[in-house]
Amino acid sequence: EVQLLESGGGLVRPGGSLNLSCAASGFPFSSDAMSWVRQAPGKGLEWVSSISGSGDIIHYADSVKGRFTISRDNSKNTVYQQMNSLRDDDTAVYYCVKSVGLDMKLDYWGQGTPVTVSS
Amino acid sequence: EIVLTQSPVTLSLSPGERATLSCRASHSVSNYLAWFQQRPGQAPRLLIYDASHRAAGVPARFSGSGFGTDFTLTISSLEPEDSAVYYCQQRVYWPPLTFGGGTKVEIK
Repeated sequence: EVQLLESGGGLVRPGGSLNLSCAASGFPFSSDAMSWVRQAPGKGLEWVSSISGSGDIIHYADSVKGRFTISRDNSKNTVYQQMNSLRDDDTAVYYCVKSVGLDMKLDYWGQGTPVTVSS
Repeated sequence: EIVLTQSPVTLSLSPGERATLSCRASHSVSNYLAWFQQRPGQAPRLLIYDASHRAAGVPARFSGSGFGTDFTLTISSLEPEDSAVYYCQQRVYWPPLTFGGGTKVEIK
């Protein structure tokens, strides 16, 4: 059974940093791309970042480029997202999502971790 | 960037009725379109991929159709548990991956 368990969310002041983690199990982790998708309160879904199975291909949404860094440790079956220079509009639930290879068929989602940026 | 426009914004129907949800793309996405269901308080769940293929475990009352720029998600006979927001998503031209704004299905 595929499981994706996010952690690391919380309350942070504007300009602060957080590091999200997503522990994966139940599938060949190093073969699959991983992504972060967020959802602001009462809003729709917004893609944030993606990383290939080997970690050599990485993409970011323009809204987070230069501030967020996605990475993975295939020995620990874990994907990370370091979030710096956080802004009010980064407030959202952040979902960890897997896809088969880099085809971006987003087939399994974690339950999400909430991030609140507020002074 | 491919823009996906969903309609209607809200759909209010009774159990057993047929629901038809639309997703229109600003440019052709071939058949690389997916539909997700998000129940209140839950994470999204993949329902349909590549326009018409049901994901594992998805009931047969859910079906998808379309190609190019116009797509439809049909729920043939609504059940109370189908109350949710439904999103479409394209993966043919990325980054960025893009989602539609969602259609909320309410069961009377």
